[in-house]
Amino acid sequence: GNSVTQMEGPVTLSEEAFLTINCTYTATGYPSLFWYVQYPGEGLQLLLKATKADDKGSNKGFEATYRKETTSFHLEKGSVQVSDSAVYFCALFKTGANNLFFGTGTRLTVIP
Amino acid sequence: ETGVTQSPTHLIKTRGQQVTLRCSSQSGHNTVSWYQQALGQGPQFIFQYYREEENGRGNFPPRFSGLQFPNYSSELNVNALELDDSALYLCASSLGGRGIQETQYFGPGTRLLVL
Repeated sequence: GNSVTQMEGPVTLSEEAFLTINCTYTATGYPSLFWYVQYPGEGLQLLLKATKADDKGSNKGFEATYRKETTSFHLEKGSVQVSDSAVYFCALFKTGANNLFFGTGTRLTVIP
Repeated sequence: ETGVTQSPTHLIKTRGQQVTLRCSSQSGHNTVSWYQQALGQGPQFIFQYYREEENGRGNFPPRFSGLQFPNYSSELNVNALELDDSALYLCASSLGGRGIQETQYFGPGTRLLVL
């Protein structure tokens, strides 16, 4: 079936540190892959997406590359800020299905 | 362009009661999906509506039901509430439905507490 596995949190980093949040997926074919971010008390915001192998999604300094050979979509940012503190969800959408499949989320806390 | 809106923002109910949550989709979107997000978990798909018809359902019992209206807004109804129904309910809108690969945009959610 379709599933997403994210690295367990929480992750605590100092401001300007490098961030990696690992995400791997299980799906047949070529799903689209997403990162969503959830700030405290809010809904989900789309952060970035990639729809085919080797695509790189990017937004607000965050990047993720769709790696079919390793079934991964790891999220990276070169220099995190306190305002990046949130929960990050990796998700996939399988064409022919109706819904997103989410990972369990990774909580990031950035300290000054 | 108006984003996805949901009402109410918070709700407290008791076991056995019924609840209706509402969602207005983003302008131009014809598909609405509902998700349940338990505390500390990722969202779980409840069902999707495309052009007023149910277009897929997750692993939720029949006491979870929904509607979509001609203006593409949607309702989620939950009957016979149980304690485990306490969660954040998220609505997402998109354009296309029927398995077409379109980005889903989420509303702020309704937080339901069942006592």
